[in-house]
Amino acid sequence: TQLLEQSPQFLSIQEGENLTVYCNSSSVFSSLQWYRQEPGEGPVLLVTVVTGGEVKKLKRLTFQFGDARKDSSLHITAAQPGDTGLYLCAGSIMDTGRRALTFGSGTRLQVQP
Amino acid sequence: GAGVSQSPSNKVTEKGKDVELRCDPISGHTALYWYRQRLGQGLEFLIYFQGNSAPDKSGLPSDRFSAERTGESVSTLTIQRTQQEDSAVYLCASSRGLAGVGYEQYFGPGTRLTVT
Repeated sequence: TQLLEQSPQFLSIQEGENLTVYCNSSSVFSSLQWYRQEPGEGPVLLVTVVTGGEVKKLKRLTFQFGDARKDSSLHITAAQPGDTGLYLCAGSIMDTGRRALTFGSGTRLQVQP
Repeated sequence: GAGVSQSPSNKVTEKGKDVELRCDPISGHTALYWYRQRLGQGLEFLIYFQGNSAPDKSGLPSDRFSAERTGESVSTLTIQRTQQEDSAVYLCASSRGLAGVGYEQYFGPGTRLTVT
């Protein structure tokens, strides 16, 4: 059973398009993080959200945490080829009792020039 | 600057052999994590160490997997009697505190393990 569901699994778009990827769970997160991973490298943290309803912006990336802290979204405006990579959400799920992160299966984004 | 380093970067081994994977965390980071990432998949938690507390081994898939950490430094992940399903990238991460309470994890580049 996957505790964190990410959608879509794969997305191929043209440069300049907008996109949104989603991260959903039936459990409540105490915090949630988004990472980007490029081939041959480890994931790199983009943002951490903690408060329900929180919105954070990082240049062309907008992250939103759901009011109930069970879901999150990442919106990219005017995507560029440099945005290509695997986007992973990860959260600390309150009812697992574990202090490590649970990762989603990722959304693989390809931005064509 | 010194980030998390892992060695070897690639390891090919025969089924049934034992392997050791090494992780050097960022100096001063008390928490260290091991994850497994199968091709095209997300990260699967294996084990974490936090300071002098007992490690959380709840993610280890079988008793063939074990890990040790010396103080707040190097960690070694050992896989005994490797199987083909162990083929994956093994990622190590470290953080100043527990990632589950919001500390940023810094990942190494991973060790790609192939079991033939």
